[in-house]
Amino acid sequence: DAGVTQSPTHLIKTRGQQVTLRCSPKSGHDTVSWYQQALGQGPQFIFQYYEEEERQRGNFPDRFSGHQFPNYSSELNVNALLLGDSALYLCASSWRGQGWEETQYFGPGTRLLVL
Amino acid sequence: QKEVEQDPGPLSVPEGAIVSLNCTYSNSAFQYFMWYRQYSRKGPELLMYTYSSGNKEDGRFTAQVDKSSKYISLFIRDSQPSDSATYLCAMVENQAGTALIFGKGTTLSVSS
Repeated sequence: DAGVTQSPTHLIKTRGQQVTLRCSPKSGHDTVSWYQQALGQGPQFIFQYYEEEERQRGNFPDRFSGHQFPNYSSELNVNALLLGDSALYLCASSWRGQGWEETQYFGPGTRLLVL
Repeated sequence: QKEVEQDPGPLSVPEGAIVSLNCTYSNSAFQYFMWYRQYSRKGPELLMYTYSSGNKEDGRFTAQVDKSSKYISLFIRDSQPSDSATYLCAMVENQAGTALIFGKGTTLSVSS
């Protein structure tokens, strides 16, 4: 059973560019959340997608947007990249129907470096 | 004040030691508490989760939650070099609020 997968593993961009990161959830999961983890910090919640809609959003600017596809996979898009966007971007998947036991399983992340 | 406080360490112990990792929090609405382990350059891996107050044991790991003190702990018995990693505490208000709030993480090094 494949866990959460993310692509690419590493990415280097320059300021002002745009980037798209991809995530495939664990088999049987229908909800995808994205987190940003700066060096030496804990992950920070960006947003969550369920039924192809953004359900919850953290304190991130509109430059960060996303999408969920009918097969539950998801994309994170970041426009007008800033140096401060350099971080490990983590995708986490879960199953909405799991109720209070809902826990999130993380992928290996995409390491983004903005120069 | 951050919602979740966690001493980043680093914490260095010899093999076989008992390790205690802790987090404090300010939001009394948190009800679900999780511990994740993150190896260098990898994604976090769920170790344990608990609901409300109490203890939960799984092998060498024990998680404790004291909601009256807003304090959670993870104990690792008979620590091994393979336990060397960053340990992140995370918490959430309820089943609808699934945005995990993380601590900074504590870096643990177990020497053989």
